Amino acid sequence: SQQGEEDPQALSIQEGENATMNCSYKTSINNLQWYRQNSGRGLVHLILIRSNEREKHSGRLRVTLDTSKKSSSLLITASRAADTASYFCATVFSNSGYALNFGKGTSLLVTP
Amino acid sequence: EAGVAQSPRYKIIEKRQSVAFWCNPISGHATLYWYQQILGQGPKLLIQFQNNGVVDDSQLPKDRFSAERLKGVDSTLKIQPAKLEDSAVYLCASSSPRTGHYGYTFGSGTRLTVV
Repeated sequence: SQQGEEDPQALSIQEGENATMNCSYKTSINNLQWYRQNSGRGLVHLILIRSNEREKHSGRLRVTLDTSKKSSSLLITASRAADTASYFCATVFSNSGYALNFGKGTSLLVTP
Repeated sequence: EAGVAQSPRYKIIEKRQSVAFWCNPISGHATLYWYQQILGQGPKLLIQFQNNGVVDDSQLPKDRFSAERLKGVDSTLKIQPAKLEDSAVYLCASSSPRTGHYGYTFGSGTRLTVV
């Protein structure tokens, strides 16, 4: 079964605004990763946060992790039309074979 | 470095036919994964290889799906016979134990349509 659940399922904003997506999971993780997928294309790795980390930054991306609430959030600041894509969180379980367990994703639309 | 290569890019077949997909991972990546992504959903792991051995195939429908990685490099995923519900994008990914499996790399996928 899929581990992460993203919220919201769809998000529509204007260029320049910030976009926030949330992810919840059910069991202990080794790390949590965020991926981006443009329509009809493969998945692109955005950022990874380990279970002992609380916040990470990469360019316009900010990821937080709250292991007590089993949740993570992805913030994209100053959104651009080119950020339009689906965003997925994926968890890697502790004591697992390191396979990614994906949620259903958030579809982000950024309009000019 | 070259990325994960997959072929074909698209495939249309009739139900009950067979189909095969090919994946060549990043050089040196010992771990290879096959995922199925149905439209509107997140990818679901089908099978994971470590070199030429299977680590996890618990979600692989073994009555119709098979996969192999004979020499521990490239891999083939086969469906025989295909059903309508197999229509999906099949993604291959690889990672390396040497880097703690951080930063998986995905191929562009094969989009399968079963009619």
